[in-house]
Amino acid sequence: NAGVTQTPKFQVLKTGQSMTLQCAQDMNHEYMSWYRQDPGMGLRLIHYSVGAGITDQGEVPNGYNVSRSTTEDFPLRLLSAAPSQTSVYFCASSPAGFSLINYGYTFGSGTRLTVV
Amino acid sequence: AQKITQTQPGMFVQEKEAVTLDCTYDTSDPSYGLFWYKQPSSGEMIFLIYQGSYDQQNATEGRYSLNFQKARKSANLVISASQLGDSAMYFCAMFGNTPLVFGKGTRLSVIA
Repeated sequence: NAGVTQTPKFQVLKTGQSMTLQCAQDMNHEYMSWYRQDPGMGLRLIHYSVGAGITDQGEVPNGYNVSRSTTEDFPLRLLSAAPSQTSVYFCASSPAGFSLINYGYTFGSGTRLTVV
Repeated sequence: AQKITQTQPGMFVQEKEAVTLDCTYDTSDPSYGLFWYKQPSSGEMIFLIYQGSYDQQNATEGRYSLNFQKARKSANLVISASQLGDSAMYFCAMFGNTPLVFGKGTRLSVIA
């Protein structure tokens, strides 16, 4: 019953440090996405994947890298953290096709990242 | 490009009253889906309701219904008989040939 698991839940980084936000899902979903949520901005798409080995950029990809070597995992890498990357990060997964209608996207609980 | 607009940053509603949260969208895709999500103060994203672009009838899910007006490109969420637990951020989102695109959200406050 795990759904989408994000780790860590909280993180403080110094400017220039790198780190990886982990995301894993156990629902065999094809689609996975990373969003960032900033006050008054809603959720903005960073990167997404429609299957293992396939990734693409979203609205705000700069400063982030992703890879999808397995169906289950979709890590987000911050290459050189900047204060502008202070945000809440959500990972989401969804099935393709008709199942998407009934279940929508399943979101992780989020990672609150502060860059100082 | 797909775009979602939510023009109400904040709304207040009396307990047990109905409330409508506005959402307009823009897309050139003939096939798309519209979602509403609830985000309580705890931060999790909760899926509420879905409407497909080819659906003839408005979607309903318990106290939630979606007032879908395709010609006007609007997909307003109606919450009937508001409860204190409905106080939260509400996001409208669209799915087409890209992953979900979100609006900026509406903060709903239910008053006893």
